[in-house]
Amino acid sequence: DAKTTQPPSMDCAEGRAANLPCNHSTISGNEYVYWYRQIHSQGPQYIIHGLKNNETNEMASLIITEDRKSSTLILPHATLRDTAVYYCIVRVETGANNLFFGTGTRLTVIP
Amino acid sequence: DAGVTQSPTHLIKTRGQQVTLRCSPKSGHDTVSWYQQALGQGPQFIFQYYEEEERQRGNFPDRFSGHQFPNYSSELNVNALLLGDSALYLCASSWPGQGFRTQYFGPGTRLLVL
Repeated sequence: DAKTTQPPSMDCAEGRAANLPCNHSTISGNEYVYWYRQIHSQGPQYIIHGLKNNETNEMASLIITEDRKSSTLILPHATLRDTAVYYCIVRVETGANNLFFGTGTRLTVIP
Repeated sequence: DAGVTQSPTHLIKTRGQQVTLRCSPKSGHDTVSWYQQALGQGPQFIFQYYEEEERQRGNFPDRFSGHQFPNYSSELNVNALLLGDSALYLCASSWPGQGFRTQYFGPGTRLLVL
């Protein structure tokens, strides 16, 4: 599975959009981009995933560049409850589906 | 519908002891994965069970073993505990079907080895 690079930490004002970047320059054509988040002392929570098209759900939007070497997770209106560590994961969808977590981005939403 | 459940929530053991952690997957899920998360680190994959067999294993010693039951629930066993085994142990389950296998995580079991 391809590796990802994320900034270690970011701040965002409450009510503003939080844009979390992820670089995955070695991604293969059959690898998907997944985002999970982990609120303190809880298990990771699935947010969104995509292959090459932009995706949106009730939690967030995922923007993947045309060359697929980077992506951005967008939380449109960040709240204090969005404070968490966000993990960007790249993996194929075949075989055993374990996830490789890096160290993620610690997002702090500021009142 | 209950999500992934794990027991116990917290556990304290001493070096050399053995521990068993339990996981019940989300309803309809047939695959269970276990992860170890040390303080300040991301979760590290231990192994995955499907159809009562270990399907894939991460870089963990044989002291870590597991089991999956016919009802898809699973156990993680750790023998000869070391201080470094202190961590949050996470269980994740996923469902069968076409395409994606998005994993749902339980709250974890926090193990402290003294």
